[in-house]
Amino acid sequence: DAGVTQSPTHLIKTRGQQVTLRCSPKSGHDTVSWYQQALGQGPQFIFQYYEEEERQRGNFPDRFSGHQYPNYSSELNVNALLLGDSALYLCASSSDRGAYNSPLHFGNGTRLTVT
Amino acid sequence: AQTVTQSQPEMSVQEAETVTLSCTYDTSESDYYLFWYKQPPSRQMILVIRQEAYKQQNATENRFSVNFQKAAKSFSLKISDSQLGDAAMYFCAYSVGRSGGADGLTFGKGTHLIIQP
Repeated sequence: DAGVTQSPTHLIKTRGQQVTLRCSPKSGHDTVSWYQQALGQGPQFIFQYYEEEERQRGNFPDRFSGHQYPNYSSELNVNALLLGDSALYLCASSSDRGAYNSPLHFGNGTRLTVT
Repeated sequence: AQTVTQSQPEMSVQEAETVTLSCTYDTSESDYYLFWYKQPPSRQMILVIRQEAYKQQNATENRFSVNFQKAAKSFSLKISDSQLGDAAMYFCAYSVGRSGGADGLTFGKGTHLIIQP
């Protein structure tokens, strides 16, 4: 049973560029959440997608946007990259249609470095 | 806004001993979930244990147990019989109780647990 997979593993971008990160949820899961984890910090919630719509959003600017496809996979897009966007980006999936107490399953993350 | 505080940046314990990691949180909600996640060098966040706020009984998962003090807003993790594989960053997290904790989690800054052989 494949877990949550993220690509790419590492990425280096230049300030001002745009980046797209990808996530495939665990089999049977229909909800995808994205988190940003700066070095030495705990993850911070960016947003959550369900039924191809953004359902919940954390305190992140509009430069951060996302998409969910009919197969439940998801993308995180960041425009006009800043040095402060350098972080580990974690994707997590869960089942909204499953048991009420469906926990999150995380991927291994994408390490983004902005130079 | 909800906040989660972990006051121990690093803890060290001898293999086979018991260690307790501390966590306090602040919320005005009455229905919520609390979690402990483990993040090894592989970077994947792994759920260790979960506690529903409405349950008075402390959650237990094998060698891992919590001490949930709702009035004090305290949620500590006890690891018994520590093993080398327990070495990792441990994060305390909070979620309002809408979908079992799958909504946006608020994490603490983490505690780095070192296991001494």
